[in-house]
Amino acid sequence: EAQVTQNPRYLITVTGKKLTVTCSQNMNHEYMSWYRQDPGLGLRQIYYSMNVEVTDKGDVPEGYKVSRKEKRNFPLILESPSPNQTSLYFCASSPLPQGAGNTIYFGEGSWLTVV
Amino acid sequence: GENVEQHPSTLSVQEGDSAVIKCTYSDSASNYFPWYKQELGKRPQLIIDIRSNVGEKKDQRIAVTLNKTAKHFSLHITETQPEDSAVYFCAASIRGSARQLTFGSGTQLTVLP
Repeated sequence: EAQVTQNPRYLITVTGKKLTVTCSQNMNHEYMSWYRQDPGLGLRQIYYSMNVEVTDKGDVPEGYKVSRKEKRNFPLILESPSPNQTSLYFCASSPLPQGAGNTIYFGEGSWLTVV
Repeated sequence: GENVEQHPSTLSVQEGDSAVIKCTYSDSASNYFPWYKQELGKRPQLIIDIRSNVGEKKDQRIAVTLNKTAKHFSLHITETQPEDSAVYFCAASIRGSARQLTFGSGTQLTVLP
């Protein structure tokens, strides 16, 4: 079964405590990305990766890091979380650049609260 | 970069009526326009999409229209049902671009029984 798996699904953390949200896909997709979803703002891209060791900034990269050491994994790292990073996060993957009209597979989402 | 505006932000209709959600985009190079439905607490699901070489596409009760000259596209849902209640997002992108889809801000559709 095609899957994009995110962990954790729910997390409450404190300001400044480093955290990592993992994302893994089993479809051998080249393209992976992270979005955050906030009320009234839709989904905004944080970072994307077109392949192993190839990453680039999306629209809202400040405060986040990513890595792509393996094709299947694309973790999102918050080195020093702040309350304005409280949000719902989605990982997504697709077989080609997502702007090419290929189906995007979303993970189930990770609810992150920073207090 | 691309900017996508979506209206209305909330929409209530009676069951059986039609619902229309409208989006405008800024980059004339955009040529792929998907629509997503997101139920409460769930991930977005693609419901229909359209490419710029097509003016209209229909799938049962859902249709999308595209006006490239005016740079706007719309989602039409006919014979609405309570299970159509959800948040709907439009998006735009440039085919072949390395960049992601740019999403609209979403429309909360409520279908009243």
